[in-house]
Amino acid sequence: QQQVKQSPQSLIVQKGGISIINCAYENTAFDYFPWYQQFPGKGPALLIAIRPDVSEKKEGRFTISFNKSAKQFSLHIMDSQPGDSATYFCAATVLGTASKLTFGTGTRLQVTL
Amino acid sequence: NAGVTQTPKFQVLKTGQSMTLQCAQDMNHNSMYWYRQDPGMGLRLIYYSASEGTTDKGEVPNGYNVSRLNKREFSLRLESAAPSQTSVYFCASLLQDYQPQHFGDGTRLSIL
Repeated sequence: QQQVKQSPQSLIVQKGGISIINCAYENTAFDYFPWYQQFPGKGPALLIAIRPDVSEKKEGRFTISFNKSAKQFSLHIMDSQPGDSATYFCAATVLGTASKLTFGTGTRLQVTL
Repeated sequence: NAGVTQTPKFQVLKTGQSMTLQCAQDMNHNSMYWYRQDPGMGLRLIYYSASEGTTDKGEVPNGYNVSRLNKREFSLRLESAAPSQTSVYFCASLLQDYQPQHFGDGTRLSIL
């Protein structure tokens, strides 16, 4: 049973466009939602994270939107750049339980010139 | 800073062989984790160690064992490797809640 569903599996966006990746979760106990970015041959690295007491968090060109009632959250990358081409994973965890992460299946983003 | 170091980076095994994957972190983190990454399945937690001296099963522990050797080191052992364990294995560490998990660059393991 997949507790965090991520879509799309792959995404192609032109330079300067907006990239949108969506995730939905089932476990209402989740209370921390990080996004990780992974480049080929490297481990994932934290990009941005949100707690469910806020509906939006922005860091530079990256924004997380969170809808608690719908149990959905999304990553928006504004002004997408070729250097943003990577695989993105949403994740969720219940704090206080050793921060075990449940990951989505990943979205491979390609930003074209 | 080295961060999280995993060894080896690549390994090919034959079915039935055993192997230990090594992980060390130099950030004085309390918790450490082992994940496997397979195409289309994201990362799945194999085992974790919330603190030195403790280990617990994650989502997919079958066929694996772990040892938290000290605060810095957390090893993953395959006792009798199977082709289904062909994967990329990532080790991660965490200081405390609300902090990012720091990942190593992975061990790419193929079992023939």
